[in-house]
Amino acid sequence: GQQVMQIPQYQHVQEGEDFTTYCNSSTTLSNIQWYKQRPGGHPVFLIQLVKSGEVKKQKRLTFQFGEAKKNSSLHITATQTTDVGTYFCAGPKGNTPLVFGKGTRLSVIA
Amino acid sequence: DTGVSQDPRHKITKRGQNVTFRCDPISEHNRLYWYRQTLGQGPEFLTYFQNEAQLEKSRLLSDRFSAERPKGSFSTLEIQRTEQGDSAMYLCASSTGPRGFFGPGTRLTVL
Repeated sequence: GQQVMQIPQYQHVQEGEDFTTYCNSSTTLSNIQWYKQRPGGHPVFLIQLVKSGEVKKQKRLTFQFGEAKKNSSLHITATQTTDVGTYFCAGPKGNTPLVFGKGTRLSVIA
Repeated sequence: DTGVSQDPRHKITKRGQNVTFRCDPISEHNRLYWYRQTLGQGPEFLTYFQNEAQLEKSRLLSDRFSAERPKGSFSTLEIQRTEQGDSAMYLCASSTGPRGFFGPGTRLTVL
């Protein structure tokens, strides 16, 4: 099974609304990564978080890593149609450096 | 950086046939991963190499699946006696650290 759980599974928003997806782990993660996959495409790396409580921003995207390093979130401000896709978090599990959550599929209605 | 390449991009086969996919990672990336992805699901881990050593293999992988990375460069994933349930996108990723760089994938359809 998956190491990290993501919610929600789907999110439909009006263009201009904000969007947040959450990632939760039952164990402490040494790092967590976020990927975006456009429809018909492959996952593309967005960011990696390593430090407890870390917050990173990329334009309208804000990524957070929880203090206990067991959860993370991705927040998009004022969504655009170009934000459409599935957002995955991924982290290490055992000896495997990269195990993915099931993702949150974002639809943006213009 | 020429990116991760995978071949073929599409494969249609009949049930019971064997198929082999190839992945060429980014040059000098010592880590290589294989994943399987079905519609609406996240990439499901199959196996992981560090250089030529296969360090992890998912329990989900039956004996029909085998992967190699003979010289620590390209890798092959073979599926023997394919079943309809094997139909999926097979993704390869490579890295030098935690961040994975994905190839375009091989879409397998088993009839």
